[in-house]
Amino acid sequence: TQLLEQSPQFLSIQEGENLTVYCNSSSVFSSLQWYRQEPGEGPVLLVTVVTGGEVKKLKRLTFQFGDARKDSSLHITAAQTGDTGLYLCAAKETSGSRLTFGEGTQLTVNP
Amino acid sequence: NAGVTQTPKFQVLKTGQSMTLQCAQDMNHEYMSWYRQDPGMGLRLIHYSVGAGITDQGEVPNGYNVSRSTTEDFPLRLLSAAPSQTSVYFCASSRTGGRIYGYTFGSGTRLTVV
Repeated sequence: TQLLEQSPQFLSIQEGENLTVYCNSSSVFSSLQWYRQEPGEGPVLLVTVVTGGEVKKLKRLTFQFGDARKDSSLHITAAQTGDTGLYLCAAKETSGSRLTFGEGTQLTVNP
Repeated sequence: NAGVTQTPKFQVLKTGQSMTLQCAQDMNHEYMSWYRQDPGMGLRLIHYSVGAGITDQGEVPNGYNVSRSTTEDFPLRLLSAAPSQTSVYFCASSRTGGRIYGYTFGSGTRLTVV
């Protein structure tokens, strides 16, 4: 089982600020996914990255996969209150469909 | 599209009682799994299935049973509930066969064992 470490665990910022969340492991991933979870709901997939060095953008969110495929980051530009939620990274095994999740980063964006 | 449907949404059990958490998906996904989510511990895999008739244990399987008689349904059974099983339970499904496929989650079952 791959161990995923996310940092920071908690983040509270003002609307309009930028932020970065990190996901790290000592293992190489076949792919990495980012999810967002709101209170009382299940996680919702934001993006999947599969190639080392890959960068994907989703509006104000930028996802990067490390060159060695051991780490990933999520950058949010000009955060909005609607970005508040729990952000989870998850790594897929080199074979099969099992996902291992990090503990998550709880983001609060204050007005 | 219904996606992944979990029932019930809330449940209170007494120690020693048994119950079944239901999960159904309508996307014809081969892969289904159960996670529990506890504060500070993220999502931990309980059991998973890669197709009808095939199940396997995850990270924290003790105290739980599963079966997969159809592609659509993947119930989770608590045999004799314990307070340590108080948690939020999520069912998820996915296509298999590729690195790019993400999970679709249900909205969860919040279980309290007293």
